[in-house]
Amino acid sequence: GAVVSQHPSRVICKSGTSVKIECRSLDFQATTMFWYRQFPKKSLMLMATSNEGSKATYEQGVEKDKFLINHASLTLSTLTVTSAHPEDSSFYICSASAGTGQGPQHFGDGTRLSIL
Amino acid sequence: GQQVMQIPQYQHVQEGEDFTTYCNSSTTLSNIQWYKQRPGGHPVFLIQLVKSGEVKKQKRLTFQFGEAKKNSSLHITATQTTDVGTYFCAGPRNSGYALNFGKGTSLLVTP
Repeated sequence: GAVVSQHPSRVICKSGTSVKIECRSLDFQATTMFWYRQFPKKSLMLMATSNEGSKATYEQGVEKDKFLINHASLTLSTLTVTSAHPEDSSFYICSASAGTGQGPQHFGDGTRLSIL
Repeated sequence: GQQVMQIPQYQHVQEGEDFTTYCNSSTTLSNIQWYKQRPGGHPVFLIQLVKSGEVKKQKRLTFQFGEAKKNSSLHITATQTTDVGTYFCAGPRNSGYALNFGKGTSLLVTP
């Protein structure tokens, strides 16, 4: 149980392109979903917390107009990287929690984004 | 601000040796969680500890939550090559719904 699917797993695109990443909880309802960014051999950097039907809460320093998050249902959250540039290249991972968000998180496989 | 610190950052052991990673929080935690991320993979939830002084075991892995609920450890007995990866501890933030993750301990096991 507790499977989270993230799609796509890899994206390579030109600078200026907008990229949408989907995160789905397959066998449970995710009250809270999280979006992280991870640099090579580094820890997880939380970008934002999203709750179904409400606006996402962004971490300090994360541009909300750059990283658009939509949590349309209890099983789906999307992250759109708008007008992506090479510095946005990274590994983006989502996670989902069935409870308050302070309990166990179940992670998607991640999306490796490369902007040329 | 509230922080979760982890040491060591890296550990390289021979197969069969033991391994321990330590986690310390600047504040008292309601629970502590441990995750493992294999190279090229995503973090996978291992366990959650809630009670002061709690000790839990999963085969060769022993997890401990300190009496003051501000520190925790993960000990692996007789490491195997399958133990390779980065181990993260995480604790709930004092406000909001998120977790504070430690920077992780990367374990390398050579045969």
